[in-house]
Amino acid sequence: SQTIHQWPATLVQPVGSPLSLECTVEGTSNPNLYWYRQAAGRGLQLLFYSVGIGQISSEVPQNLSASRPQDRQFILSSKKLLLSDSGFYLCAWKAIGNTIYFGEGSWLTVV
Amino acid sequence: AQTVTQSQPEMSVQEAETVTLSCTYDTSESNYYLFWYKQPPSRQMILVIRQEAYKQQNATENRFSVNFQKAAKSFSLKISDSQLGDTAMYFCAFMKHVSSGGSNYKLTFGKGTLLTVNP
Repeated sequence: SQTIHQWPATLVQPVGSPLSLECTVEGTSNPNLYWYRQAAGRGLQLLFYSVGIGQISSEVPQNLSASRPQDRQFILSSKKLLLSDSGFYLCAWKAIGNTIYFGEGSWLTVV
Repeated sequence: AQTVTQSQPEMSVQEAETVTLSCTYDTSESNYYLFWYKQPPSRQMILVIRQEAYKQQNATENRFSVNFQKAAKSFSLKISDSQLGDTAMYFCAFMKHVSSGGSNYKLTFGKGTLLTVNP
């Protein structure tokens, strides 16, 4: 069966420090992968999506970047975090049948 | 750009009763997918139900059903026999294919409705 794992679950980082969130999908190949952010409050904002290795599309200009070094690995990074980067980050993948499933999420607090 | 509107920021319902959450969307596409996701306090995003726009029949998953009105661009969620565990934020989402020659789809979310089930 297909599963998605995301880590770390929680992290507290100082302003100006780097960030790396990792997401791995198992049980499928060449999935579409997504990074979403949910700021304090509600809605989800699409940050990046990838249709294959090395292929990254950015939805909003920001302090973050994404990479896909392997077929089932998707990484969200920043060189220098801002306070506004705080939030709940969700990795997701598109399954056969065009349904998107989400990982457990990562809480980022920038202090 | 596609937009998804959930006009009810918060709702409450008594245990065992029925509640309906509203969702409208704006698109010029004819082929797309609609979803309801549930986000409990754990923050995990859980798929509740899925509807393909080309299907006229409303989707049903146990106590959850939708009323899909394509012409009106409306996609409401009905929860029957509400349970305490249904307390969560519910998100309506719209997905369409975004690039030719590829297989990329984008999911756009509404702002959510916080549902509280009272004992």
